[in-house]
Amino acid sequence: AQSVTQLDSQVPVFEEAPVELRCNYSSSVSVYLFWYVQYPNQGLQLLLKYLSGSTLVKGINGFEAEFNKSQTSFHLRKPSVHISDTAEYFCAVSDGTYKYIFGTGTRLKVLA
Amino acid sequence: GAVVSQHPSRVICKSGTSVKIECRSLDFQATTMFWYRQFPKQSLMLMATSNEGSKATYEQGVEKDKFLINHASLTLSTLTVTSAHPEDSSFYICSARRGATNEKLFFGSGTQLSVL
Repeated sequence: AQSVTQLDSQVPVFEEAPVELRCNYSSSVSVYLFWYVQYPNQGLQLLLKYLSGSTLVKGINGFEAEFNKSQTSFHLRKPSVHISDTAEYFCAVSDGTYKYIFGTGTRLKVLA
Repeated sequence: GAVVSQHPSRVICKSGTSVKIECRSLDFQATTMFWYRQFPKQSLMLMATSNEGSKATYEQGVEKDKFLINHASLTLSTLTVTSAHPEDSSFYICSARRGATNEKLFFGSGTQLSVL
């Protein structure tokens, strides 16, 4: 069985500061990994995904994530956040089937 | 990129009534669509998988008769919450798969259902 753990439920950070949102997963098979962002009262928007190849994945809005197989992690990073980055961020894992397993989400709050 | 339209975005209904939520893939054909439910401050939980032209596959614990899913065409899936009750109040999100693999999964904007 697969699972996703997002250790931080909330992350406050000042504008223009760097941020890292943590995601750890467990799986007995090869996985695909995703980060989604959800703005208030909206659906999910794909930020980035890891399928294979380079372990450093770059996404939209200046975000990037690194797949670390030995640590079973897929942490999301941004070197300088903006107020507009305030949202809920979800990490998800898939074994290639239709089922995505989502983490419980991390609320990023960017402070002025 | 691909667009998935979900309608309505917000609905308020009285207890005992039924509510239909539509999920449309606007610029691609989606043989498979998925319905999720999200409780406040929690993650998305897969409710069911909707396959065009066949019966939906429900996840364990999801009532088939309560949450009716129809996937009548390659671009439309509907979720009907029958005889809604306050505990059905939630955020419902659909997603559509483009192509044969799951790396291309696109989400709708969600429907906030409030049952009074």
